[in-house]
Formats: sequence, C-alpha cells, structure tokens
Amino acid sequence: GENVEQHPSTLSVQEGDSAVIKCTYSDSASNYFPWYKQELGKGPQLIIDIRSNVGEKKDQRIAVTLNKTAKHFSLHITETQPEDSAVYFCAASLPLEYGNKLVFGAGTILRVKS
Amino acid sequence: DSGVTQTPKHLITATGQRVTLRCSPRSGDLSVYWYQQSLDQGLQFLIQYYNGEERAKGNILERFSAQQFPDLHSELNLSSLELGDSALYFCASSFTGTGETQYFGPGTRLLVL
Repeated sequence: GENVEQHPSTLSVQEGDSAVIKCTYSDSASNYFPWYKQELGKGPQLIIDIRSNVGEKKDQRIAVTLNKTAKHFSLHITETQPEDSAVYFCAASLPLEYGNKLVFGAGTILRVKS
Repeated sequence: DSGVTQTPKHLITATGQRVTLRCSPRSGDLSVYWYQQSLDQGLQFLIQYYNGEERAKGNILERFSAQQFPDLHSELNLSSLELGDSALYFCASSFTGTGETQYFGPGTRLLVL
C-alpha cells in the first residue's frame, strides 16, 4: 500500500521567513496530494492540493510543488505569520480503482516566532 | 467552519462499552469518510461511504462499523471498547467519491477508561 513520509517533524522559523515541508510517497499510481493545517482542538483544514498532472500550484503565500519522477512534493509558505503556527499534514491518494484512500504523513509542527 | 458537523464533541466511557459517533456532511456532499487520530498512529483512514454505499475501507477494526443513511448523515459504531481506542475521531465529506477535496469536521474526542 501507499506510504507517506514527512519531514521535518518540527520546524521553527522567524516571522517573515519562509517555511518548507517535504513529503515523499511510495506508490507511483498516487494522483492527488492535499495539504492540511490542524490547529489545536480543531479538525484538519484543507489549505491547498495538487493533482499529478500539475507541477506547481500557488495560493497567495502558499505553494505546493510536485516531482512525480522523484515521488516527492513540498509545501512552501512565504512571509510566515504567527497565525501560521499549527501542525501541517501532507497526504497522498490513489485513484478510485486502486483503493481511493488518503494516506497521511506524520505531520510537521510549525512554530512561527514573532 | 468546514460545514461538517460531528456529535458529540467529547465522550467518556468504560472498556467493553459501545458508542455511536454521528456526522453530518456539508450540504450537497455525497461522500463521508471516517478517520482516527492518535499520537502513536497519526491520522488513519477507517472507511468511506458514497451516497449510502461503502466505497473504500482502511484500517478499520472488526469491532467498528459504520453506515450512511438516506439523508447522507453517517454514524460510526465502536463496540467492545478498549483503552487503545481512545483517540480523536474525525469525519470528512466531499462532493465526489474520488477521495479528493475532503473537508473535515471538528472531531469527537473519545476517552475509554
């Protein structure tokens, strides 16, 4: 089955700096890669996603890149703010015909210091 | 607010008991997914329903079962509870059944004593 590894497990940055979180997946058939932000006491919130036919996607200060050959994808947050502090999860999903389930990474605790 | 609602928010029960967690998907969403989040196992997919039918199964124990009703709300039943079942249980919903664009609810925190 699919396996997703996420690094680093914790990340501290100064406010205004950039943060990068990286994930690798094992199954080349995976075709959908979302990123979720989870704040304390809340459910995961979808912040950006990318499909396997796209190499990069941006939404304001957040961007995701996908390298299908290397089977890794990354989340980039620019101009970090204290409210970006949270746990971030990457995930990978196989197509419906292969089982259709999201497999999550272990999470990255992001701390933005002001 | 994702639009997905879950009840109850907290649940405390004893080993051997049975509990039911409830989820209402976002308006218009046909698919419901259940996840378990624990410190040692992370976020684990349990089961998916699409328009009333089971669509995909993950690491769901035989003691656990779920269903999706005609009004599209879903229930997750956990029986013969063990200490290790203590976790956060999340429901997510999406319009399609492909697994994409899932929106998570606030979760139910289950504590088994």
